[in-house]
Amino acid sequence: GENVEQHPSTLSVQEGDSAVIKCTYSDSASNYFPWYKQELGKRPQLIIDIRSNVGEKKDQRIAVTLNKTAKHFSLHITETQPEDSAVYFCAATQSNAGGTSYGKLTFGQGTILTVHP
Amino acid sequence: DSGVTQTPKHLITATGQRVTLRCSPRSGDLSVYWYQQSLDQGLQFLIHYYNGEERAKGNILERFSAQQFPDLHSELNLSSLELGDSALYFCASSARQGGYGYTFGSGTRLTVV
Repeated sequence: GENVEQHPSTLSVQEGDSAVIKCTYSDSASNYFPWYKQELGKRPQLIIDIRSNVGEKKDQRIAVTLNKTAKHFSLHITETQPEDSAVYFCAATQSNAGGTSYGKLTFGQGTILTVHP
Repeated sequence: DSGVTQTPKHLITATGQRVTLRCSPRSGDLSVYWYQQSLDQGLQFLIHYYNGEERAKGNILERFSAQQFPDLHSELNLSSLELGDSALYFCASSARQGGYGYTFGSGTRLTVV
């Protein structure tokens, strides 16, 4: 089955700095890679996702890159703010071409991001 | 509001007891997934149902079972509860037309005392 490794487990940055979280996956059939942000005691919330037919996707201060050959993908947060402090999870799964059917998500172990004012 | 509804939000029960957690997926979503998140742990996949049928099982204990009903809501049954079963239990649903992906409910916090 799929295995997702996530690094680092903790990341501490100063406000305004950039943060990068990296994940590797094992199953070459995986084609959908979402990132979730989870605040303490709250539900994981999707912040960005990428499909295997693109190499990069950006949404304001966050971006995700995917290297299918190396089977790794990364989350980049620029101009970090204290409200970015949370646990971030990467995940991988297979979906059909229309995006209407997904297999189970396999999650990385999570990264605790702390942004110091 | 994510559109995925989980009840109850909190549950405190004694060891050896049985509880039922309920999940209503987003309108139109056919898949329901259950995840367990223990303290300091990641999200562990338990089980996936699609339109009433079991699709995949993860590391789900034999004391746990689930089902998805014709109206697509799902229930996770936990029996012979142990202290170690204390955790946040999330369900998620997917995917609306247009591929909105996975969306999680707010979770049920189970405390076994």
